Amino acid sequence: DADVTQTPRNRITKTGKRIMLECSQTKGHDRMYWYRQDPGLGLRLIYYSFDVKDINKGEISDGYSVSRQAQAKFSLSLESAIPNQTALYFCATSDTSANQPQHFGDGTRLSIL
Amino acid sequence: AQKVTQAQTEISVVEKEDVTLDCVYETRDTTYYLFWYKQPPSGELVFLIRRNSFDEQNEISGRYSWNFQKSTSSFNFTITASQVVDSAVYFCALSEAGSARQLTFGSGTQLTVLP
Repeated sequence: DADVTQTPRNRITKTGKRIMLECSQTKGHDRMYWYRQDPGLGLRLIYYSFDVKDINKGEISDGYSVSRQAQAKFSLSLESAIPNQTALYFCATSDTSANQPQHFGDGTRLSIL
Repeated sequence: AQKVTQAQTEISVVEKEDVTLDCVYETRDTTYYLFWYKQPPSGELVFLIRRNSFDEQNEISGRYSWNFQKSTSSFNFTITASQVVDSAVYFCALSEAGSARQLTFGSGTQLTVLP
């Protein structure tokens, strides 16, 4: 089983719909992150969380919200989806050691028509 | 602010050729960490290597090698004797010690290895 699991893997929806992307991890990491990937732009940070009571905005948080329901779960919501939110979304986790890499889920491909 | 530049958008080589992927970074911190990730056509991100700012030793892992030079703020990645399975997008990333472990990614280099 994957250590970082994202659901759904693919989603097509219409403008204005509310969408939730879910991420769960079995690595026992405290820190969780949401990124989006657009062609030619690399990955950009949307939100991150250091523990259940800690939520922080990243570089591109407008139009998104998150919820850290438990140490192992971190969900990303688009309250009213718009076409330019079409992208590949990644969840990642890391422990608190300074030099440890982030571990990524397999991504959710979201298309908004 | 931290920044990572991967100037090579796309590279195409023939199998068995050596190829170097460039990465240049900017940071004001004296303590930072550099990473390379691979994204194969299937889309997942695979961690390849991390390097901290106090360790300038080059590293070799099989056909992969990394050259870290603080003097030029570069962390280049070389694949020796490339194979078709090396075809992927490769990302360089930077994390400053004081930035809450936020990773700043470069825009990626698409490597295509032709048979």
